[in-house]
Amino acid sequence: EPEVTQTPSHQVTQMGQEVILRCVPISNHLYFYWYRQILGQKVEFLVSFYNNEISEKSEIFDDQFSVERPDGSNFTLKIRSTKLEDSAMYFCASSPAGIPYNEQFFGPGTRLTVL
Amino acid sequence: KNQVEQSPQSLIILEGKNCTLQCNYTVSPFSNLRWYKQDTGRGPVSLTIMTFSENTKSNGRYTATLDADTKQSSLHITASQLSDSASYICVVSGYYGGSQGNLIFGKGTKLSVKP
Repeated sequence: EPEVTQTPSHQVTQMGQEVILRCVPISNHLYFYWYRQILGQKVEFLVSFYNNEISEKSEIFDDQFSVERPDGSNFTLKIRSTKLEDSAMYFCASSPAGIPYNEQFFGPGTRLTVL
Repeated sequence: KNQVEQSPQSLIILEGKNCTLQCNYTVSPFSNLRWYKQDTGRGPVSLTIMTFSENTKSNGRYTATLDADTKQSSLHITASQLSDSASYICVVSGYYGGSQGNLIFGKGTKLSVKP
C-alpha cells in the first residue's frame, strides 16, 4: 500500500542552523501539508501546498519557514535559522483531493532537535 | 475561538473491554470531523471521517458518532486489543469549500490496554 515517507527520521542541529526536512508524498496525490507536534502537545497545522504554491499557512509558518516541491516526487520544509522552540516532530501529509473534505495520509514524522 | 476538547486525557482498560472517548468542538463553520489513531512516535492514521449529515460511522471495532447540534462526537472501541494502545485524536475541519481544509486537532486521549 502506498505511503508517505519522510527523511531523516531524526535530525539534530545547532540553534541558528538551516535544516531541510524531506517528504515523498503518495504519488498520485495533489495536496501536500506540513504539521508539527511539540512534545506532549497537540498537532498543529503549518502549511498546505497545491499546484506548486502555498494555498494556506498558519501563524506559525513565518518567514523562517519555506516549502518547495523541487521535483515531481519530493516535498521539502526548510527552516532557515532554527530556534530552540522549533524542536518538535514534523509530519508531512498528502491527500488526493482538497474539497469537499480531504483524507490526509501522514508520514511517520521527522523528530527535529535544536540544541 | 475554534477549539477541540477531548476527554478523558488518558484511560487504562483491560484487554477485551470496551471504551468510549469523547470530543467536544466549537469549530465553525463545520465541515467534517475525523478520528485518528497515533502510535507513539508515529504519524496519525485516519480511522473515520464524518460530515455534518452523518451520525455514525464504523471501521472494524471502531465506531464514531457525531451530534452536529451539540457539537459532540464519540469514538467507541469494542473488544479492545493490546494493539489499540495509542493516542486517539479528534480532528475537526472548519473550512468548507476552498482549496483545502485546515484541520484543528484535539490533544488526544492516551489509551492503554493492559493484558
